This record gives sequence, C-alpha cells and structure tokens, in this order.
Amino acid sequence: SQQGEEDPQALSIQEGENATMNCSYKTSINNLQWYRQNSGRGLVHLILIRSNEREKHSGRLRVTLDTSKKSSSLLITASRAADTASYFCATRGLSRAGSYQLTFGKGTKLSVIP
Amino acid sequence: EPEVTQTPSHQVTQMGQEVILRCVPISNHLYFYWYRQILGQKVEFLVSFYNNEISEKSEIFDDQFSVERPDGSNFTLKIRSTKLEDSAMYFCASTAGPTNTGELFFGEGSRLTVL
Repeated sequence: SQQGEEDPQALSIQEGENATMNCSYKTSINNLQWYRQNSGRGLVHLILIRSNEREKHSGRLRVTLDTSKKSSSLLITASRAADTASYFCATRGLSRAGSYQLTFGKGTKLSVIP
Repeated sequence: EPEVTQTPSHQVTQMGQEVILRCVPISNHLYFYWYRQILGQKVEFLVSFYNNEISEKSEIFDDQFSVERPDGSNFTLKIRSTKLEDSAMYFCASTAGPTNTGELFFGEGSRLTVL
C-alpha cells in the first residue's frame, strides 16, 4: 500500500501560530497532494508537489517532500480560525498509465483557537 | 467556477435496499471517481471510470456496487443491497485527463445512513 499517514492526528494551536502537519507513505509516488476538509464537507485541493520537487509554496502554505524518507510536511503560517479543518495528504502512485487513483491518509484535525 | 455536484446530500435507507447516488462531474472532465469516508476515518478509494468503463476498483467495490454513466453528464454509484457498514459519506470526484497533474475535484458528498 502507498497509503499516506498523517501526524499528528489532532493539533490545537492559537491563532497566529504556525501549524505543521506531517505525512508518511510507503511506496514510490508520482506526486503528493494535500487536501482540506471542513467538517461535513467535501475535500478541497490545496497544493501538489511532484516527486522531483523538494519544496513548494502557495500563499500561507509551504509543503516539503523528502522522497528518501517517504515523507512530506505541510506548514500553515500565521494560522487563522478559518483554517480549522481536517487536512489530508494523498499520494498518486506510479501505477499503470491512465491511473489517477489517489490514496489518502487518515488526516490531521487542526483546531485554531481565536 | 465549475464544480462537481452530488445528490442527494443525505439518504437514509433500510438494510437490504438499493441506493443510487448521483454525481454531475465538471463538464470537460474525463475521469470520474467514487470515494467513501466512514465517519471520522480516512477517505477510501472505491472506483475510477474512464471512457465508459471501470479503469480501477478497490477491494471495497464488490459485486454489490456498480457505476454507470447513463448520459453525457451524470455519473452514478449504485449499491444493490445495502449493509449497515455501507453507512458513510460518498464522494464523487473528477479530473480532466492524461495531461492533468492529478488534482481531483470533489463534490460535497452524499451521506448514506443504513438502518
């Protein structure tokens, strides 16, 4: 399985602090993506990092990827109460051509306290 | 902004009944997916669909499940005889195609409760 596993399972921080979430996976990947899910809602794509990239930024988001350790981290800087959500990493593997299956981890539940 | 829409948002059914969940993917997308999420747990892949046929399916997607694209816009998931353990959120997703990076666009989900 190339399942992503996030760490920690839950994280509670004060507004303005940075939040770091980690993800580990097991097999070779094409890319790794982070999604956000507000309670009871669908998943929203945040950022994608390819296997040949090491770091990527998008607004207050910073993602790193270490393929030698099969791990990734998502950093949210200057957190806001509206960032409260569950965050999932998802890996797209090197399966056969035309396959776009993503494998999701269990997620990190982030609570940002105003 | 184009979005994936799903209906119903919530369905309650009796065990053994058939359920059809409907999805309208983004109009120029070619690859379609169903995922499910049991309450508080991870998002699990069920099936992918391309060119009017299943391209991949997981172990969860057994003979009780089927998918169909009955017309040019809808993509349905049918569960023939629901079980208690089928209670979950079911998410439809779509993506554009071979040149796409792999970002999936998800609907808001259909919550299925089997009693």
